[in-house]
Amino acid sequence: DVKVTQSSRYLVKRTGEKVFLECVQDMDHENMFWYRQDPGLGLRLIYFSYDVKMKEKGDIPEGYSVSREKKERFSLILESASTNQTSMYLCASSFSAGFNEQFFGPGTRLTVL
Amino acid sequence: DQQVKQNSPSLSVQEGRISILNCDYTNSMFDYFLWYKKYPAEGPTFLISISSIKDKNEDGRFTVFLNKSAKHLSLHIVPSQPGDSAVYFCAESLGTDKLIFGTGTRLQVFP
Repeated sequence: DVKVTQSSRYLVKRTGEKVFLECVQDMDHENMFWYRQDPGLGLRLIYFSYDVKMKEKGDIPEGYSVSREKKERFSLILESASTNQTSMYLCASSFSAGFNEQFFGPGTRLTVL
Repeated sequence: DQQVKQNSPSLSVQEGRISILNCDYTNSMFDYFLWYKKYPAEGPTFLISISSIKDKNEDGRFTVFLNKSAKHLSLHIVPSQPGDSAVYFCAESLGTDKLIFGTGTRLQVFP
């Protein structure tokens, strides 16, 4: 079974702090994704990586950066957390072949005070 | 601008009856769609998919119908069970490894 794990289930940070969210997948997937889920807005893509050290902006990249130094690990970084970044963050991975399902981690509920 | 719309934010169905969740899309280039199910405090899990070469795909209690002329797809759950209570997202594959998700429909199945 594909396993996608995220470093924290719940996280509370203060405005202005630097926040790291880590994601690891064990299926040798080429693609990794970061989404945020907000009520009434569905899942919105923040960043996407299709290979090590490669990244592509999603629909809402402002205020975020990412790092992919190893194939299995994809990190989301909030350089200076703000209250409007309070959300559920979901990591996903998939094979690279066009039409493929994505496998999701359990999510990190981030609260910025 | 690719959009996937789920116009019903919630649906309540009695146990044993049919649940029908709907989804509309605007982009016709890549007709491959997926449904995901999400419980609170968990990540979404893949449920069922359909490509444009079919108008129906069935997996147990779950059936997805695709109407390309209307740019509409629906997920039928028969019979509905309390464990089906979750948020359901439809998603469109763009053929570029990325998915566009709808806003979700919260299904509640009551006894």
